[in-house]
Amino acid sequence: AQSVAQPEDQVNVAEGNPLTVKCTYSVSGNPYLFWYVQYPNRGLQFLLKYITGDNLVKGSYGFEAEFNKSQTSFHLKKPSALVSDSALYFCAVRDSVSGTASKLTFGTGTRLQVTL
Amino acid sequence: ETGVTQSPTHLIKTRGQQVTLRCSSQSGHNTVSWYQQALGQGPQFIFQYYREEENGRGNFPPRFSGLQFPNYSSELNVNALELDDSALYLCASSATSGGPPRYEQYFGPGTRLTVT
Repeated sequence: AQSVAQPEDQVNVAEGNPLTVKCTYSVSGNPYLFWYVQYPNRGLQFLLKYITGDNLVKGSYGFEAEFNKSQTSFHLKKPSALVSDSALYFCAVRDSVSGTASKLTFGTGTRLQVTL
Repeated sequence: ETGVTQSPTHLIKTRGQQVTLRCSSQSGHNTVSWYQQALGQGPQFIFQYYREEENGRGNFPPRFSGLQFPNYSSELNVNALELDDSALYLCASSATSGGPPRYEQYFGPGTRLTVT
C-alpha cells in the first residue's frame, strides 16, 4: 500500500525567507510524486511533479521540490516566500506499477502561513 | 483550454437520501477520478473511470457509485446518505492515452455536501 506523511500541520515563515514543507512517502515500486496547493473554498491546484530524471524539479509560482530516494522524501521549497503563498499544501504519491488506475494517495496537508 | 467544472457548488441533504454530483473533465482528458475530502483531511480516492468503465476503487462502500459518459463527463452517486458523508467531493481529470503521459490530475473546485 502507498502512503504519504506530512509531519508538520503548520509551517510559519516570514515573507522573503526561504520555506520548506516536508513530505515522506512509501510505495512498492518507483514513485510518482506531486505537490498540490489548496486555497480556501477551492479545489486543488497542481504545482509540480517528479516522475523521473533530475532530483530537483521546478514548478509553478517559483516553487521547487527535491526528490531524495534514500530518504524517501519529496520536500517542497521556495527561496523567498510571499504572503500570497499562504495556503494548504498537499503532497501526493502514485505507484508507477499500479496498472491503469492512477490513484493518488495524499498526505494530511500542511498549512503554510507567511507573515510580513 | 477549459478546466474541470463541477456542479452543484453546495448541497444540503438529509440522512438516508440520495445525491448525484456532476463533473465535466478538462478538454482532451479521458479519465476522471473522484475524491472525498473530509474537513481537515487530505483527499481520499473513491474511484476512477476510464472509457466509461470503473478503473479502480478506493475503500468506499458500494453505495458510492459512478458513471462516465461518452464525452468523458462523470457523475458520482451516493445512496443512503450518512452524516459522515459530509465532505468536499473533488473530481479530477487526466489524460491516460493520446500523446506523452503527463501523470498529473487536474481538479475541479469541488462540491460541498452537507448531510443533516
